[in-house]
Amino acid sequence: GAVVSQHPSWVICKSGTSVKIECRSLDFQATTMFWYRQFPKQSLMLMATSNEGSKATYEQGVEKDKFLINHASLTLSTLTVTSAHPEDSSFYICSALLQGASGNQPQHFGDGTRLSIL
Amino acid sequence: ILNVEQSPQSLHVQEGDSTNFTCSFPSSNFYALHWYRWETAKSPEALFVMTLNGDEKKKGRISATLNTKEGYSYLYIKGSQPEDSATYLCADNTNAGKSTFGDGTTLTVKP
Repeated sequence: GAVVSQHPSWVICKSGTSVKIECRSLDFQATTMFWYRQFPKQSLMLMATSNEGSKATYEQGVEKDKFLINHASLTLSTLTVTSAHPEDSSFYICSALLQGASGNQPQHFGDGTRLSIL
Repeated sequence: ILNVEQSPQSLHVQEGDSTNFTCSFPSSNFYALHWYRWETAKSPEALFVMTLNGDEKKKGRISATLNTKEGYSYLYIKGSQPEDSATYLCADNTNAGKSTFGDGTTLTVKP
C-alpha cells in the first residue's frame, strides 16, 4: 500500500521549454504532498509543500513563478518548471502524506524525475 | 547542531560485517526522526519513525536508537548483506510533517 507514482522518470528538452511533472498517490488520499530537488551528492532539499485545494507553501529562495505547483485533487500534485534553463537541470522527487497524517508518519515517495535542459 | 548531519558519507563493508552510522539533528523542538532506505533506481522506503528519547526500533537485522536530549540517532545493520547496499537517509520532522533531510550514508556491501 501507499504507492506514489511520479511521471515522467526523465525528461530531456530544450532551453525555454516548460516541463510538467506529475505526482499521484495511487491507493490513498494525500492532503499534503512535498516537492524536493536534489543536487549531486547533496540531500533532498524541500522546494515546496503542496496542499490540496490551496496555494503551495514555498521554501525560502524558491521562485514560485518558476516552479508552479498545483494540487487540484487528493491524489494529484503537479510541478511545472516554467521556461526551463540549464541551471534547472536536476533530480526532482515528490512525496505524499496520508490524509490526516502528522510528522510522526512517514512520507511516501515517487521514483523521481531526472530533468536535463539542453 | 543547526542542520541534520549524517556520518560517514559512505561506507564499504564485507558481507557479514555489522555496521552503524549516525544522524545528528537539532535537539530543540524535536518532534520525530525518520530513517529511510533509498536503493538505486527506486524510491526512498521508510524504515523507522522515532519519537521518544531512548526509543529503540528493530526490523530484521536493522535497528535504530534515538537520543533526543543530545540530538542523535544511530542505525545499526547486523550481518550486512549485498541487498543492504543503499543510501540511508535520516529526516528531522516537524509536527506538520515537514522534513529536513541529511545528506545520507551510502552503504556498499561487498560479497
